[in-house]
This record gives sequence, structure tokens and C-alpha cells, in this order.
Amino acid sequence: GAVVSQHPSRVICKSGTSVKIECRSLDFQATTMFWYRQFPKQSLMLMATSNEGSKATYEQGVEKDKFLINHASLTLSTLTVTSAHPEDSSFYICSALRTGVKETQYFGPGTRLLVL
Amino acid sequence: GQQLNQSPQSMFIQEGEDVSMNCTSSSIFNTWLWYKQDPGEGPVLLIALYKAGELTSNGRLTAQFGITRKDSFLNISASIPSDVGIYFCAGQPETSSNTGKLIFGQGTTLQVKP
Repeated sequence: GAVVSQHPSRVICKSGTSVKIECRSLDFQATTMFWYRQFPKQSLMLMATSNEGSKATYEQGVEKDKFLINHASLTLSTLTVTSAHPEDSSFYICSALRTGVKETQYFGPGTRLLVL
Repeated sequence: GQQLNQSPQSMFIQEGEDVSMNCTSSSIFNTWLWYKQDPGEGPVLLIALYKAGELTSNGRLTAQFGITRKDSFLNISASIPSDVGIYFCAGQPETSSNTGKLIFGQGTTLQVKP
């Protein structure tokens, strides 16, 4: 299957700081990537759609100024959690959409964020 | 909003047994995908289905796209301990086929007793 990487895999930061998470599609180009958040024992919750070369589309209830998304190239999207607070602690997962006849989302390994 | 009902929520089975789980929706879907997630990892694609009635296998796994386009099932035959994990169904609703967005089921947690 296709490979999507995320960096870092885990990060611990102080409250009030900003954290950037990178998502890369390693073996295909992705004009569309997605950012999800997952709480323990729950399903994935879509936060936003990252579009290469244009603004991200955020799901209802997700603050765009809090979660900044930049999709600067066809293989890289970044999510920046600004002024992080303990309630932002979570597992963040990205996916990249491989288009074509059989469109499929491939997921990264996730980033565990802990805000102290 | 649109939801997927995935069942069962959890299963505890003996090694060697077969497993079946399914997802249903009130809406029509264009694509059904089944993923497995291990603790602390991202979901890994198991099987993708793109056509109503499609039946696809991947080793001991078999999945089908329901004829009504509102459901899908995943079967695992002769389970082994490494099958342990959370299995998610995901579907692309017909109404959002141009966005690539997926709707996820709540997951089925599978535990296998050696």
C-alpha cells in the first residue's frame, strides 16, 4: 500500500507554545490530505481537509486560527496547534488521498501530543 | 449528520475462530473501506470496495460492498493472535463524492485468546 509518514511521532510541550506536525505522502502526490483527531477508545474525528495551493476546509466546531494548516506541496501538509493547552492533548492522524480510478485514503502513523 | 453503525462493538474470541463484523448506513455510499488500527498507530488499509456487490479478499480477510450500497461486512477466517486490534469501516457517501471525505464507524475491538 501507499506510504504516509508523520513527524514527530510524539511531542510533549508546555501550555501556550505552538506545535507543528508534518504529514508526507512518500510515494504518491496528494492534492488533498486530511487531519483527524482521535480520543482514547473513540473513532477518528475529521478536523479539516488540507488542499494543496489553497485554504484548508475546516469541519464545524474546529477553530481555524487554533489549528493552522498549510499544504505547500503535493507531498506535504502541516498542522500547527497554536497556543496549545492541555485540552489539545490528543492523537492527531493525517491521511493522504490517492486519486484515480480507485480513490483511497492512506493514513500516517499518528502523532501523540501531550500539553503540560 | 451521516453516521455509520458498526457492530459488534467488541469481540473476544478463541484463536482459530472466524469473525464477522459489519457496517450499515441510512445513506448510499460510493466506497467502503476497512482499516485496522493497532494501539498508538494510524489505521492501516485492509480492503477497499468500489462497486455494489463487490466481494474482495485479502488473505484471510474478505469484505463485501452491499447490493443496496448502504452496508458492508468484513470477515476474518481462522483468527490468529496478531488479528487483535480495532477494525474500522469507513465509507464515502454519495453526497460527498467530490470531497474525498470519509465517514467512520465506531470501531470493533477484537481480542483473540490463544
